[in-house]
Amino acid sequence: SQQGEEDPQALSIQEGENATMNCSYKTSINNLQWYRQNSGRGLVHLILIRSNEREKHSGRLRVTLDTSKKSSSLLITASRAADTASYFCAPSYTGRRALTFGSGTRLQVQP
Amino acid sequence: DGGITQSPKYLFRKEGQNVTLSCEQNLNHDAMYWYRQDPGQGLRLIYYSQIVNDFQKGDIAEGYSVSREKKESFPLTVTSAQKNPTAFYLCASSIGSGGSSGNTIYFGEGSWLTVV
Repeated sequence: SQQGEEDPQALSIQEGENATMNCSYKTSINNLQWYRQNSGRGLVHLILIRSNEREKHSGRLRVTLDTSKKSSSLLITASRAADTASYFCAPSYTGRRALTFGSGTRLQVQP
Repeated sequence: DGGITQSPKYLFRKEGQNVTLSCEQNLNHDAMYWYRQDPGQGLRLIYYSQIVNDFQKGDIAEGYSVSREKKESFPLTVTSAQKNPTAFYLCASSIGSGGSSGNTIYFGEGSWLTVV
């Protein structure tokens, strides 16, 4: 399978805490994207990190990429109840014409 | 507003019926996609299209059909051959290939299909 695998499957934290979720993939990638899905809605793009980048920031989001370990992590700092959603990673591979998605991490932020 | 419109939001299908889910985009994107999502699960790729009049099977195309006669439209038909069609269906688009280049995928709000 060429989709990423997110870990953990579910995560419950208190508002104000940081949330970390991980993504592993199997072969060399061109880049990797993270998406968010609120319950019953479509996915929304969060951030893209290229294979030659190690870290990227966007607001309260921090993404890291370790190509030697074929893994990425998404950190949400100072989480809010509104961050409650499922988060998916999507690696991009040469020759692949469509993204595929794993099962995601379901994040619950308790107010 | 620019975006992707899926309709209907909720659809009920009787056994043996074909149903068609509509997907329209006004983003001028070349590529369009259909994904299926079962409750609590990830997304599985059904079909995708890189250009008008061309489309490719994804990972779970059996029991589904599509057409791409216009750039802005990519309807999905769930045929009676699809034995377990109850799911959440998501249509998406991107300006170019979403597979290798990292183009952002834009999603519609989804359609819920239930077999009754």
